[in-house]
Amino acid sequence: ETGVTQTPRHLVMGMTNKKSLKCEQHLGHNAMYWYKQSAKKPLELMFVYNFKEQTENNSVPSRFSPECPNSSHLFLHLHTLQPEDSALYLCASSQVEGHGEETQYFGPGTRLLVL
Amino acid sequence: EDQVTQSPEALRLQEGESSSLNCSYTVSGLRGLFWYRQDPGKGPEFLFTLYSAGEEKEKERLKATLTKKESFLHITAPKPEDSATYLCAVQTSQGGSEKLVFGKGTKLTVNP
Repeated sequence: ETGVTQTPRHLVMGMTNKKSLKCEQHLGHNAMYWYKQSAKKPLELMFVYNFKEQTENNSVPSRFSPECPNSSHLFLHLHTLQPEDSALYLCASSQVEGHGEETQYFGPGTRLLVL
Repeated sequence: EDQVTQSPEALRLQEGESSSLNCSYTVSGLRGLFWYRQDPGKGPEFLFTLYSAGEEKEKERLKATLTKKESFLHITAPKPEDSATYLCAVQTSQGGSEKLVFGKGTKLTVNP
């Protein structure tokens, strides 16, 4: 266990559904991230929250909507997704102090299938 | 543009057969280089961080090294339980310190 939990672990949804992914970190970190992992492609950074404020949005379509109510919780709200959005969605957290090591620790991921 | 390339894409070894995985990078300002291990259906598990050329770190059968252009993950006398995908990532100083750029990974299979 890395101290980062994600729910659900598996999700199947239709293109018209609305669902949310949840991430919780128990490491006392101040930054949280969402990544997308598709087959044969590197991990793609989607969103970064630093001290609860979004600091990066890597040109992610608006059908993905992040929410960070506090430094321990992160959500990814999904609506009207496309089949190509099927992937493993990973949450990570780190302690950002502006210098030195900022190791990111990952959760187990949510395997999403869009039909 | 920051780039990370891992080779080979896949590697099959016999138990006990030592080898190395490569991670070459082109970045504007390296803050750190990270190695992760990922098992199927799971999130990446942190292994090592390297900060400067010449640095080496070891953990059990794994040893990571760093030069100015690449990093190697040496696996000595691997066991079947070392089978996994090994990911390399670089932390860059441009665009925010929080940013990691990942390679596609090397899928390692160790046969008994």
